[in-house]
Amino acid sequence: DAKTTQPNSMESNEEEPVHLPCNHSTISGTDYIHWYRQLPSQGPEYVIHGLTSNVNNRMASLAIAEDRKSSTLILHRATLRDAAVYYCILRMRETSGSRLTFGEGTQLTVNP
Amino acid sequence: SQTIHQWPATLVQPVGSPLSLECTVEGTSNPNLYWYRQAAGRGLQLLFYSVGIGQISSEVPQNLSASRPQDRQFILSSKKLLLSDSGFYLCASLFVRLAGGTGELFFGEGSRLTVL
Repeated sequence: DAKTTQPNSMESNEEEPVHLPCNHSTISGTDYIHWYRQLPSQGPEYVIHGLTSNVNNRMASLAIAEDRKSSTLILHRATLRDAAVYYCILRMRETSGSRLTFGEGTQLTVNP
Repeated sequence: SQTIHQWPATLVQPVGSPLSLECTVEGTSNPNLYWYRQAAGRGLQLLFYSVGIGQISSEVPQNLSASRPQDRQFILSSKKLLLSDSGFYLCASLFVRLAGGTGELFFGEGSRLTVL
């Protein structure tokens, strides 16, 4: 399985943008890039996903490198509620049977 | 969207006792279901996943087992718990919004197991 690499931790100040990087140098052509985040004592929640083009939704933006070997999750204005562990995972484009594995993720701290 | 129910939410069990964690899913049919374990608050370890009734794939050899007796029910069990089984257990269901899409995982609230 293709693997992702993320920094262990990052810090940001409230209301400033945050760029969370993810390396996936062994990504295959059928892998989508997914991001999840986990607040303390809760299950992870879906944030965003993409294949080749940059994606935006109400939570965040996803910038994907042209060679797809890395991506960046962008929180445009960090809030205290964005403090969480962020996971970048790869998911094959199929509707059944896929195992989904998570790494250690990035612990984001947001300072007031 | 889907709703994932997990119970019990918290469990304290002695070493050597049995375990049964249950997960049920609402709002979908024939989902892919997953059991994850999280120790020390970081990283999710995939334990089992299932693509249908009675179909279980095991990721990590250990004293845990999983069963899927019904389409939207996924059970994690152990006959004899070990201290190392302590952790936060999460059930997840894969929701594919569009045919041919990649889907997104919905997680339950988790079950915190402490083995003493």
